[in-house]
Amino acid sequence: GAVVSQHPSRVICKSGTSVKIECRSLDFQATTMFWYRQFPKQSLMLMATSNEGSKATYEQGVEKDKFLINHASLTLSTLTVTSAHPEDSSFYICSARATGTEYGYTFGSGTRLTVV
Amino acid sequence: DAKTTQPPSMDCAEGRAANLPCNHSTISGNEYVYWYRQIHSQGPQYIIHGLKNNETNEMASLIITEDRKSSTLILPHATLRDTAVYYCIVELAGSYQLTFGKGTKLSVIP
Repeated sequence: GAVVSQHPSRVICKSGTSVKIECRSLDFQATTMFWYRQFPKQSLMLMATSNEGSKATYEQGVEKDKFLINHASLTLSTLTVTSAHPEDSSFYICSARATGTEYGYTFGSGTRLTVV
Repeated sequence: DAKTTQPPSMDCAEGRAANLPCNHSTISGNEYVYWYRQIHSQGPQYIIHGLKNNETNEMASLIITEDRKSSTLILPHATLRDTAVYYCIVELAGSYQLTFGKGTKLSVIP
């Protein structure tokens, strides 16, 4: 089946620093990937849609200069949280969809970001 | 985009069938119903999806009503490892985006 690998699984960083999260599709090509954020006891909220070779599309209220998304190849999208603050602490999850409907959307295992 | 309504929580005895309902009364003809689940601190896991017909795979069965306004996910023999939040999602037509609601927290009880 389709597999999405997300790294790191857990990261702790200091306020003001930047953190990069990688999302890779291992056995399929993904022209589009999605980034979600999930706060404790809440549902997943779509942050942005990452498009290979073009600019990402951000949801309303998500700062594009703070959450930098790069989708330079058909198998890799990265999310960089710039100048992180404690309120950015959250669970970040990526997803992608393999061609055809038999797999639905595949999600990464998530990244737990803690900003101290 | 069609929205979904699910009960916030359900309990199920281990070994019994778990039936999770979902209402999607505003679904349009070209929108699929997807089911995912999320075990604590993990990414969501795809379970099953369907358009009009009932579907079955190794994990579950999906029963969609004839008018497509509701569906039921059936886990035939629930185990403790099935304890998770289950999300019923209707895919936005043409946008390939999934919008998550609050889901149903299923607790499988020994």
